[in-house]
Amino acid sequence: DGGITQSPKYLFRKEGQNVTLSCEQNLNHDAMYWYRQDPGQGLRLIYYSQIVNDFQKGDIAEGYSVSREKKESFPLTVTSAQKNPTAFYLCASSIKGASGQYFGPGTRLTVT
Amino acid sequence: AQSVTQLDSHVSVSEGTPVLLRCNYSSSYSPSLFWYVQHPNKGLQLLLKYTSAATLVKGINGFEAEFKKSETSFHLTKPSAHMSDAAEYFCVVTLGMGTDKLIFGTGTRLQVFP
Repeated sequence: DGGITQSPKYLFRKEGQNVTLSCEQNLNHDAMYWYRQDPGQGLRLIYYSQIVNDFQKGDIAEGYSVSREKKESFPLTVTSAQKNPTAFYLCASSIKGASGQYFGPGTRLTVT
Repeated sequence: AQSVTQLDSHVSVSEGTPVLLRCNYSSSYSPSLFWYVQHPNKGLQLLLKYTSAATLVKGINGFEAEFKKSETSFHLTKPSAHMSDAAEYFCVVTLGMGTDKLIFGTGTRLQVFP
């Protein structure tokens, strides 16, 4: 089955630790995205990548980093510099042409 | 600049009655518009999309939306609500400028009562 997978579904970390969230897609999509969702808010774009080995900051990139070494993979690292890392993180991918984005099931990160 | 406003943060309906979720957009060009649904602790699922073809767009699960340029609206409707429709719904517009970047509304939580 084609789709987007995110792992793990739930993640717990201590404050001050970096943590990496996985996102893999087998849809052969060129573009991939990371969003953060907080209660009662819409999605906010963290980073996006339109092609391998290239990525751009979104609206809230501070405290996050990404890499895009393979077309199917776009991992997100939440660094200790992110002041409020506890949130629901969603990965998405798309083909070019405003056809819409397809989302993974999300990872809920809790930092204590 | 592109933006989207969802006019209701919460909507409650009884099972079997019509659903109306309201969305207004602002765009400096002809936009692509989407509705997504999110069930608790799940990812977002694409319900339907408007990309400058027919103004009445039919989606999955009996939902449809009508693009009205004169009113800058893209309201989501369903003739008869089902309990399984209870979820968060997001109206979304493309940023454009050669990317597929999306601008999300703040969401409308739909409750369906038996």
